[in-house]
Amino acid sequence: RKEVEQDPGPFNVPEGATVAFNCTYSNSASQSFFWYRQDCRKEPKLLMSVYSSGNEDGRFTAQLNRASQYISLLIRDSKLSDSATYLCALQKAGTALIFGKGTTLSVSS
Amino acid sequence: ETGVTQTPRHLVMGMTNKKSLKCEQHLGHNAMYWYKQSAKKPLELMFVYNFKEQTENNSVPSRFSPECPNSSHLFLHLHTLQPEDSALYLCASSQDPRDYYTGELFFGEGSRLTVL
Repeated sequence: RKEVEQDPGPFNVPEGATVAFNCTYSNSASQSFFWYRQDCRKEPKLLMSVYSSGNEDGRFTAQLNRASQYISLLIRDSKLSDSATYLCALQKAGTALIFGKGTTLSVSS
Repeated sequence: ETGVTQTPRHLVMGMTNKKSLKCEQHLGHNAMYWYKQSAKKPLELMFVYNFKEQTENNSVPSRFSPECPNSSHLFLHLHTLQPEDSALYLCASSQDPRDYYTGELFFGEGSRLTVL
C-alpha cells in the first residue's frame, strides 16, 4: 500500500458546486497533515494545515480522521479560480513532507 | 524578488553531459530540499539539508549529486543521466524541517529537465 493515496480525478464541477477530496495514508505514525495547491505549471503552495478538530478557512474545510487514516478537503461554492491540483502531504517525526499524487479539480462556468 | 529562485528554468541535456541546477532562497530559512516531480507520480523527496548538513538522502542514484555551500544556496549536479530522469526538479526551503506546527515548504518554480 502506498504511503499516501489520492484519487487523481479529474473532478469536473460547475461553479458554485461543493466538492470533497479524500486522502488516505498508511503509516499511523504520521503526525502532521497538510493540503497544498498546485496550479498548472507552477510550484505547490501551502493551502492549509489539517488539525484533528477540523479547521476552516473561508470556503475550505479540512478534516483529519486518525482512526480511519484519512484527511479530507471540502470546497464550498467553487470558483473558476479553484481549478488546480490539490496535494495532500504528511509528516512523520524527523522527516520531510511526503506528498500524494494530487487530485485535479476543474471548475467550469 | 521571489522567495526561492531556481535556475535554469528549462534544461535539455544529453546522457553524457554534466550540468547543474541552482537554487537560492531569500527567506532566511535553515533547511533546503530537492524534490522530483514526474508526470502521474507524487512529488518525490530527493535530498534534505539542514544548516548545510545533509540530513536525508532518499536512495537517490549517484548520478545526482547535491551540494549546499551555505543555508541560502543549493545545487544539484547532474551527470550521465537517463531519459527517465526527465522531470520537474523543485527546490524548497523551510524555517525548520522539524517544525511540525506549520509544515510550510516554500517552493521555487522548478527546473524542467529533459534528458535526450
